[in-house]
Amino acid sequence: QKEVEQDPGPLSVPEGAIVSLNCTYSNSAFQYFMWYRQYSRKGPELLMYTYSSGNKEDGRFTAQVDKSSKYISLFIRDSQPSDSATYLCAMSAGRGSTLGRLYFGRGTQLTVWP
Amino acid sequence: EPEVTQTPSHQVTQMGQEVILRCVPISNHLYFYWYRQILGQKVEFLVSFYNNEISEKSEIFDDQFSVERPDGSNFTLKIRSTKLEDSAMYFCASSEWPNEQYFGPGTRLTVT
Repeated sequence: QKEVEQDPGPLSVPEGAIVSLNCTYSNSAFQYFMWYRQYSRKGPELLMYTYSSGNKEDGRFTAQVDKSSKYISLFIRDSQPSDSATYLCAMSAGRGSTLGRLYFGRGTQLTVWP
Repeated sequence: EPEVTQTPSHQVTQMGQEVILRCVPISNHLYFYWYRQILGQKVEFLVSFYNNEISEKSEIFDDQFSVERPDGSNFTLKIRSTKLEDSAMYFCASSEWPNEQYFGPGTRLTVT
């Protein structure tokens, strides 16, 4: 099943760098887009939640959705060692029988070194 | 801050045994989900539950799986006859409305 594609990395950057994480998808019915952060052997932690196209900013994090290209991004500014984790994109159609079912990317492993 | 809790954190069982994984969703949430993550693979949807019934289930969620909300706070996943391939992290999630889902810390299930 290749509905959501995400480069697994690993991605390694120095502290203070701007990080760009991306996902592509094939299902044009997806309307809701999320980014989760997952530490090793822990549950996914919701970072960002957006509906349809556009940008959303929350502190050092910015989420972008381009539905015409079926492409979503997460930018992390001024990255910190504590940002080191696996970042998962997830999305859902949000209507009908698939209400709420999330489709996840494989996750990108990020390391921020001091 | 309210959070989803899950017990146990780790469950070891023998093939063919029944296991029950327990979850306490966030108290004002109405939608409940189970997902699983096999080591090194994507997080996969199992089932969604709303208004005391299953809303949707994936192809993985076959007759050996069942879910129940036995009281006002707990949400359980039962696997009747475990197989080696059921070994995975199982995550419970809940949401106030669909899509913005909050996940628990997971139960690591090991089937030997």
